[in-house]
Amino acid sequence: EVQLLESGGGLVQPGGSLRLSCAASGFTFSSYAMSWVRQAPGKGLEWVSAISGSGGSTYYADSVKGRFTISRDNSKNTLYLQMNSLRAEDTAVYYCAKELRIAAAAQIADHWGQGTLVTVSS
Amino acid sequence: DIQMTQSPSSLSASVGDRVTITCQASQDISNYLNWYQQKPGKAPKLLIYDASNLETGVPSRFSGSGSGTDFTFTISSLQPEDIATYYCQQYDNLPGTFGQGTKVEIK
Repeated sequence: EVQLLESGGGLVQPGGSLRLSCAASGFTFSSYAMSWVRQAPGKGLEWVSAISGSGGSTYYADSVKGRFTISRDNSKNTLYLQMNSLRAEDTAVYYCAKELRIAAAAQIADHWGQGTLVTVSS
Repeated sequence: DIQMTQSPSSLSASVGDRVTITCQASQDISNYLNWYQQKPGKAPKLLIYDASNLETGVPSRFSGSGSGTDFTFTISSLQPEDIATYYCQQYDNLPGTFGQGTKVEIK
C-alpha cells in the first residue's frame, strides 16, 4: 500500500525558513516523480514544485521560484521542500503527491499525503 | 502560463441527477488533463486522467471527455457520497495548473 507522510509544518515568521519532508513507502520511490501541491485556507489547489525520479529535473511555480527548493533522497525514500523567504501568502496545507506513471514527469498525482499546515505570520 | 477555467463554480443537484462540469484551457493542451475530487478536510483524489481514463477503483458513474481546449466531467447519477469539490488540472506545461474548482452539493 502506497503511503505518503508529510511533516515539518508549523508557524513561522515572514522572511523565515522551513523544511518539509514526505516519507514514502509501498512503492519503488526512485522510479516515480514526486510533487508538492498546496492549498491556502478556503482556496483551491496550486501545484508548487515537482521533481523527477532521479532528482535530475525540477519544476517550480512562478510564485515560489527562487525561494523554494525541491529535493529527494532516494536512499531514504524521502521528498523535501526547503522553503525560504516565506511570505504570508505561502500559508497553506502542503501535500506531497506521487506520479501515476513510472519514469514519467510529474503529471498525474495518483496518491497524496494527508498534508501539513504551514502558517506564515508574525 | 496556461489558465484553466472551470464552470460552474458551484452547483446543487438531486440524488440521481446527471451532473456536468466544464473546464476550458487558455491554449491547446491536447488530452493532458486530469480531474480530482476533494472532500472537506481530505486530500484530493484522482478520478480521471488523460481527459477520459478512469483511475482504478473509481466508480463508472464518473467520466471525462474532450481534447484541445474544451473538456467535460460528468457524474451520470449523483450519489450522496459525491458531495465534494472537483478540480481539473492540466499538465501540458509543468508544473501543472488547476482550475478554480466546482463545489457540488445535494439539493
